Amino acid sequence: NAGVTQTPKFQVLKTGQSMTLQCAQDMNHEYMSWYRQDPGMGLRLIHYSVGAGITDQGEVPNGYNVSRSTTEDFPLRLLSAAPSQTSVYFCASSLKGNSQPQHFGDGTRLSIL
Amino acid sequence: AQSVAQPEDQVNVAEGNPLTVKCTYSVSGNPYLFWYVQYPNRGLQFLLKYITGDNLVKGSYGFEAEFNKSQTSFHLKKPSALVSDSALYFCAVSPHEDDMRFGAGTRLTVKP
Repeated sequence: NAGVTQTPKFQVLKTGQSMTLQCAQDMNHEYMSWYRQDPGMGLRLIHYSVGAGITDQGEVPNGYNVSRSTTEDFPLRLLSAAPSQTSVYFCASSLKGNSQPQHFGDGTRLSIL
Repeated sequence: AQSVAQPEDQVNVAEGNPLTVKCTYSVSGNPYLFWYVQYPNRGLQFLLKYITGDNLVKGSYGFEAEFNKSQTSFHLKKPSALVSDSALYFCAVSPHEDDMRFGAGTRLTVKP
């Protein structure tokens, strides 16, 4: 049982480059979300999805895009990387929304030079 | 503004002693309340949640949390700490289904 799988685990980018962080879950969860974790700030919600074909913005959406073409996958795209986007990114899923416990992936550590 | 506060960056306890990790929140309505634990280089793991009912919630690994509505607090407790409990602990509050706010985290160190 893989749970939530994130790839890659580490990535270094140059300012202005674009990339996609992958997230997949095998638990048939409807709700998926992306967070960034920065020292002293906890986790902040970037985007979320309540089901295939439906996405919405969280607390800090600027500079990021998401799509949800299938129940299993929820990729996060950085359009033009900036040093302020250096962070650890976590994908999470739950059966239905935030009343249910979130299952987290192990994160992607992203550095923007 | 909706917010979650964990007033202690660091909590140190001796093994076998009780531990408390504090959390207070400022959100409207009746939020869902959660505690998560994070070990190095791993994602967060769910410990327990409060939605309604008994103010003392029991969770995984012997942890429990006490909900106090008048003080808007949700403190994490354990009667007897283990060295293996050393980790980063996050309080989280969901004001509604589409929002989740996390505290900044408290690093718990349990010394032998």
